Amino acid sequence: QQQVKQSPQSLIVQKGGISIINCAYENTAFDYFPWYQQFPGKGPALLIAIRPDVSEKKEGRFTISFNKSAKQFSLHIMDSQPGDSATYFCAASTLYNQGGKLIFGQGTELSVKP
Amino acid sequence: GAVVSQHPSRVICKSGTSVKIECRSLDFQATTMFWYRQFPKQSLMLMATSNEGSKATYEQGVEKDKFLINHASLTLSTLTVTSAHPEDSSFYICSVSGGTPYNEQFFGPGTRLTVL
Repeated sequence: QQQVKQSPQSLIVQKGGISIINCAYENTAFDYFPWYQQFPGKGPALLIAIRPDVSEKKEGRFTISFNKSAKQFSLHIMDSQPGDSATYFCAASTLYNQGGKLIFGQGTELSVKP
Repeated sequence: GAVVSQHPSRVICKSGTSVKIECRSLDFQATTMFWYRQFPKQSLMLMATSNEGSKATYEQGVEKDKFLINHASLTLSTLTVTSAHPEDSSFYICSVSGGTPYNEQFFGPGTRLTVL
C-alpha cells in the first residue's frame, strides 16, 4: 500500500515532442506528489509538485495532471529538448506524518533525440 | 529551494575501514534530514530519517550499528559507514526539509562510495 508504481521504465522522444510519465499509488493518505529530475552522478532536483486539491499544475513546459479518483498522476513535458534527457522520479508522501517521508517510484529514463 | 552540499563527492576505501559522509544545509535550517542510497539504474532507497538533536529512525532492514547517523545541528548531518564492505558501494544522497509550506525535500549532490 506504500508503493508508488511508475511507468514507463524508459522513454525515447523526438525533440519537440511530448514526454508523458505516469504514476499510480494506493495509499489515499498521500497528500503531496512531487516529481524529481536526476542527471547521472547528481542528486535529484525538485521539478514540480502538486497537492490533491487541484487536478493540474503547470510550470513552464512541465505539467502535472492529477486524478484523485483513479489514484494516478502524470508528468507531461511539452516541447521536449535534448537537455531534458535525465531520469525522472515521481514520489508521494503524507506531508505532516513521518516527517514527510517520500515514497519514490521506480524512475523513468528519458532520452530526447535531436 | 535549499542549497545542500555533501562531502566528499566521491570516496574510495579499503574493506573494513569506516567512512564518514557530511551533509550540510547551506542556507536553510533543516529540522529533518534524510539519508538515501541509490544503486545504478535504481530508485532511491530511504535509509533513515533524523531530526536535529534526536536519534535517527532507521528503515526496516537498515543496520543502525553499521550506518551511524548524527544530526548535530540544523545545518549538519553525518553518515558513517562502519567496517565498510564491497556491497556497501553505492551512491549516498542526503536531503533536508523543514519550515517550507509543503515540507519539500531538497537533495544534496550525492557521494559515490567505492569499497575495494
